[in-house]
Amino acid sequence: GENVEQHPSTLSVQEGDSAVIKCTYSDSASNYFPWYKQELGKGPQLIIDIRSNVGEKKDQRIAVTLNKTAKHFSLHITETQPEDSAVYFCAASTVGSNDYKLSFGAGTTVTVRA
Amino acid sequence: GAGVSQSPSNKVTEKGKDVELRCDPISGHTALYWYRQSLGQGLEFLIYFQGNSAPDKSGLPSDRFSAERTGGSVSTLTIQRTQQEDSAVYLCASSLGGRTDTQYFGPGTRLTVL
Repeated sequence: GENVEQHPSTLSVQEGDSAVIKCTYSDSASNYFPWYKQELGKGPQLIIDIRSNVGEKKDQRIAVTLNKTAKHFSLHITETQPEDSAVYFCAASTVGSNDYKLSFGAGTTVTVRA
Repeated sequence: GAGVSQSPSNKVTEKGKDVELRCDPISGHTALYWYRQSLGQGLEFLIYFQGNSAPDKSGLPSDRFSAERTGGSVSTLTIQRTQQEDSAVYLCASSLGGRTDTQYFGPGTRLTVL
């Protein structure tokens, strides 16, 4: 099955700086890579996703890059704000097959210092 | 519209007791997932329902765990003879199904087994 590794486990950044979280996956058939943000006491919320037919996707201050050859993908948050503090999870799955299970990384706790 | 809802939000039980956790998916979503999130860990897939197909139970950790989905909507996750290691947050997600893959999560049920 798919194995997703996520680094770092914790990340502290100064407000206004950028934050980068990196994930690797093992199954070359994976073609869908979502990122979720989980705030304390809440369920994960999808913030951005990328499919294997593109290398980069951007949505305001958030961007995701994908390198299929190396089997890794990254989340970039620019101009961080205190409300970006949360746990972020990357995930991978193989859309279009009968298997829709998402395999999650272990999460990154991001703290934005004011 | 309404998102995924779960009940109860918190459940404290004694070791050996049975518990039932409920999930109400987004109306019209045919796919429903259960995940378990242990403290400081990523999300662990438990079970997946898609329409009227047989559920994918490959993630259930033991035969003490079972789930059903009545009428293609509400789902109940049952844990029999609970153990302390069952303590975790149990998350439910739903998606439109088919080739649509975005999973929307509920707030979770925090289960504590004393």
